[in-house]
Amino acid sequence: DVKVTQSSRYLVKRTGEKVFLECVQDMDHENMFWYRQDPGLGLRLIYFSYDVKMKEKGDIPEGYSVSREKKERFSLILESASTNQTSMYLCASSPPGRQAHYEQYFGPGTRLTVT
Amino acid sequence: AQTVTQSQPEMSVQEAETVTLSCTYDTSESDYYLFWYKQPPSRQMILVIRQEAYKQQNATENRFSVNFQKAAKSFSLKISDSQLGDAAMYFCAYRSPGNTPLVFGKGTRLSVIA
Repeated sequence: DVKVTQSSRYLVKRTGEKVFLECVQDMDHENMFWYRQDPGLGLRLIYFSYDVKMKEKGDIPEGYSVSREKKERFSLILESASTNQTSMYLCASSPPGRQAHYEQYFGPGTRLTVT
Repeated sequence: AQTVTQSQPEMSVQEAETVTLSCTYDTSESDYYLFWYKQPPSRQMILVIRQEAYKQQNATENRFSVNFQKAAKSFSLKISDSQLGDAAMYFCAYRSPGNTPLVFGKGTRLSVIA
């Protein structure tokens, strides 16, 4: 089975802290994604990556950066956490884009609270 | 840009009954893929069913089926013989061919009443 893991289920940070959210997948997928989920807003794409060291901005990249040094790992970084970044963060991975019918596989999510 | 609209923020269904969740989308593409994802209270998002736009036949997976109306840009999910375990958030999603991410609707929360 495909497995996407996220480093923490729950995280509490203070305003101004640098926050790292880690995501690891074990299926050798080229594509990885970070979404933010908020009630009434659904899932919004923050960043995605098609290959190692490659990244593309999604719909809401402001305040976030990403790192993909290895194929299996995709990190989301909040350089200076703010209260409006309190949210559920979901990581996903998928096979190469030409296999577009392939689904995205999701991690369990990280509930981040910034106080 | 493509958009996905789920007009029902919340739905409820009696156990063993049938419920239909609505989804419409906006695109100028002729080739694309549509998905329904389920997110139970435990938060792990899982795929329920997928549909390729070039296929006229509606997809079916056990108790889950879709009504895909390409001209109307409609993609509804029907759940038959609803079970308590079907209670979850359901997200409709669109994907273009090529290296593109999913575009999600805002979700429908389904409650199943015993």
